Amino acid sequence: SQQGEEDPQALSIQEGENATMNCSYKTSINNLQWYRQNSGRGLVHLILIRSNEREKHSGRLRVTLDTSKKSSSLLITASRAADTASYFCATDAGGTSYGKLTFGQGTILTVHP
Amino acid sequence: GAGVSQSPSNKVTEKGKDVELRCDPISGHTALYWYRQSLGQGLEFLIYFQGNSAPDKSGLPSDRFSAERTGGSVSTLTIQRTQQEDSAVYLCASSPSSPYEQYFGPGTRLTVT
Repeated sequence: SQQGEEDPQALSIQEGENATMNCSYKTSINNLQWYRQNSGRGLVHLILIRSNEREKHSGRLRVTLDTSKKSSSLLITASRAADTASYFCATDAGGTSYGKLTFGQGTILTVHP
Repeated sequence: GAGVSQSPSNKVTEKGKDVELRCDPISGHTALYWYRQSLGQGLEFLIYFQGNSAPDKSGLPSDRFSAERTGGSVSTLTIQRTQQEDSAVYLCASSPSSPYEQYFGPGTRLTVT
């Protein structure tokens, strides 16, 4: 079963624009992670934010976490055509979950050259 | 270094046959995870290994599914008496410990005809 929802389900932008994707979840978490998937196959880890963190940056990526609202957002700045992919948030509940990730439905991002 | 590898990359089988899917994690990674990705269900957790033991099998859909891990390395996911609803991409991931970011393999696309 899915932990939460991502929106939008699909996002289409021009190169150079910023892309923002949102993720909501239902239960308490130890950390939240964002992954990218190209062509429906392997996922690539982008960034991990712990429950006691509010914001994290990695290159052109900025992730925020609001545990009171059970939501997170991923911002990709100055997007490139190569950023075209599906983006998933995944929550780790910690404790006896052993790092098991529960994924959202994903956002399909298309960046037009 | 080498990433997570999975074999076969594609498998087409007839309904009722058994299949074995293999995962070679990154050397030294103690945690190994199996997920399944299908159009209707999104990304679902199947099973987790820490070393050779599987403390969390909660995601296995039925008793037709089983998995083992030997030598703290290679893992095999076996599906007996395959059904059409088993058609999906089966993804394996490993991590140095749990919880931690996970490194995914390219997946095995299983089609049951």
